[in-house]
Amino acid sequence: GAVVSQHPSWVICKSGTSVKIECRSLDFQATTMFWYRQFPKQSLMLMATSNEGSKATYEQGVEKDKFLINHASLTLSTLTVTSAHPEDSSFYICSARPFGQGVNSPLHFGNGTRLTVT
Amino acid sequence: QKEVEQNSGPLSVPEGAIASLNCTYSDRGSQSFFWYRQYSGKSPELIMSIYSNGDKEDGRFTAQLNKASQYVSLLIRDSQPSDSATYLCAGNTPTSGTYKYIFGTGTRLKVLA
Repeated sequence: GAVVSQHPSWVICKSGTSVKIECRSLDFQATTMFWYRQFPKQSLMLMATSNEGSKATYEQGVEKDKFLINHASLTLSTLTVTSAHPEDSSFYICSARPFGQGVNSPLHFGNGTRLTVT
Repeated sequence: QKEVEQNSGPLSVPEGAIASLNCTYSDRGSQSFFWYRQYSGKSPELIMSIYSNGDKEDGRFTAQLNKASQYVSLLIRDSQPSDSATYLCAGNTPTSGTYKYIFGTGTRLKVLA
């Protein structure tokens, strides 16, 4: 149980274009999903917390107008990288915690999306 | 800045030995801690969670938590080459009425055959 599906697994796009990444919880509902970014040989850095039906909460230094997050339902959150540039190339990973589970429950991760901007 | 700290390694241990991975955290409000394993190019997978002081065992893995010292550890017994990966420690930090999960930089483990 607690499966998170992320799509696409990898994407290559040209500089200046936008890319949408989907994150779905397949067998549970999630009012909150978390988006992380990981550069090579570095740890996961929390970008934003996605809240169902309301605005996402962005971490300091993350541009909310560049990384658009939409959490339209209890099973789907999307991250859109707008006007992507080569420095946005990274491994983007979404995660979720099942709704109703307490603070001690872990995050379940999607398989990640490797974005390469040329 | 609320942080989770880990030694980046690499930590090299021979096959069959015990690997000991350590983590410290700065936020005393953190209630739960998690160990994830991450293979290169893959997303993290959960190994264990712990939220009470003391030890918690699951197969070859034992997690230890000491809230007074703000210290979390993971022991891997009978280490196997397939255990070679980066191990991430995460803490659950309260913020604005909810919790967010903060990760350490990870410790790279190499199990030598």
